[in-house]
Amino acid sequence: GENVEQHPSTLSVQEGDSAVIKCTYSDSASNYFPWYKQELGKRPQLIIDIRSNVGEKKDQRIAVTLNKTAKHFSLHITETQPEDSAVYFCAARWSNFGNEKLTFGTGTRLTIIP
Amino acid sequence: GAVVSQHPSWVICKSGTSVKIECRSLDFQATTMFWYRQFPKQSLMLMATSNEGSKATYEQGVEKDKFLINHASLTLSTLTVTSAHPEDSSFYICSAWDRSTYEQYFGPGTRLTVT
Repeated sequence: GENVEQHPSTLSVQEGDSAVIKCTYSDSASNYFPWYKQELGKRPQLIIDIRSNVGEKKDQRIAVTLNKTAKHFSLHITETQPEDSAVYFCAARWSNFGNEKLTFGTGTRLTIIP
Repeated sequence: GAVVSQHPSWVICKSGTSVKIECRSLDFQATTMFWYRQFPKQSLMLMATSNEGSKATYEQGVEKDKFLINHASLTLSTLTVTSAHPEDSSFYICSAWDRSTYEQYFGPGTRLTVT
């Protein structure tokens, strides 16, 4: 089955700086890679995703890059703000219709220092 | 976006009792729902995949007789934790697949505490 590793487990950055979280996956068949933000006691919120036919995707301050050859993908947050503080999870899935199971990374606790 | 609800949002029960958690898709039909468990400061671990009208598929290491899953309609899946023990205390989250958008949406989670 799929195995997703995520680094770092904790990350502290000064407000306004950039944050980068990296994930690697094991199953070369995986073709869908979402990123979730989870605040304490809340549900995971999808913040950005990328499919294997794309190398990079950006949405305002958030971007995701994918290297299929190396089987790794990264989340980039620029101009960080205090409200970016949360736990971030990457995930991977082989997706045909979308109802296949997701495998999550171990999570990164991001703290933005004002 | 699509809405998934869970009930209850939190529950406290005594050891040895059973607890039922409901997951509902409010504005779409969900032929597939997923149940996750999340311990404090840990990731989401998939427990089982629930398909409407058929038996759930459990992940390795998850006791199907302890975690009973029923997906009797296109908008409702239930997870029953039978003979709960303190080690079952966790945050249980469901997600539902919307076949019209090919997306999965998470419920708000249920915090179970077994005393």
